[in-house]
Amino acid sequence: DTAVSQTPKYLVTQMGNDKSIKCEQNLGHDTMYWYKQDSKKFLKIMFSYNNKELIINETVPNRFSPKSPDKAHLNLHINSLELGDSAVYFCASSQDPGSGNTIYFGEGSWLTVV
Amino acid sequence: TQLLEQSPQFLSIQEGENLTVYCNSSSVFSSLQWYRQEPGEGPVLLVTVVTGGEVKKLKRLTFQFGDARKDSSLHITAAQPGDTGLYLCAGDGGYQKVTFGTGTKLQVIP
Repeated sequence: DTAVSQTPKYLVTQMGNDKSIKCEQNLGHDTMYWYKQDSKKFLKIMFSYNNKELIINETVPNRFSPKSPDKAHLNLHINSLELGDSAVYFCASSQDPGSGNTIYFGEGSWLTVV
Repeated sequence: TQLLEQSPQFLSIQEGENLTVYCNSSSVFSSLQWYRQEPGEGPVLLVTVVTGGEVKKLKRLTFQFGDARKDSSLHITAAQPGDTGLYLCAGDGGYQKVTFGTGTKLQVIP
């Protein structure tokens, strides 16, 4: 069983479209994240939720809106996609935020905006 | 903004060689982790160090946390092709946020 699963794995879409990436974790963790990895492999946190509540919201355009219907799910919706949004988006979870807890990552969603 | 700089950025070595990857910051971290990411996959935790000066070994990999808890190193002895991947350090600087390093891409040639 996959601990952190995200769909779709690959997504090619046109500029201006709206798309969503779904994420689910079956580890019973309280904290979930969205990270963005750019072409230089730099991994940067976008959002962090703890028990469905937003605790970290980095400098991310408000076209990106996370939604956590329950603590096992954290979906990412992106409006009006731009070329610069092309990247790999990783969903992740941990028992608690920070504090040296292991962060478990999904396999990534490769988003290409054309 | 906490920044973790890794060096070298790229490393291509022959099987059997030794190597060291560095992770440096001007910030103090309560803990520091090392992850390895293989192509097409998400990062996977290798180790967590929490005490200044701490050394941990994982088979041929040796991890050290700096005394001041601002830096760390990863040493691989007798590298093997299976060690190929992107190595990321990650620091917990408080405020419930983990910051990832700039990454070191390692290629071990058979």
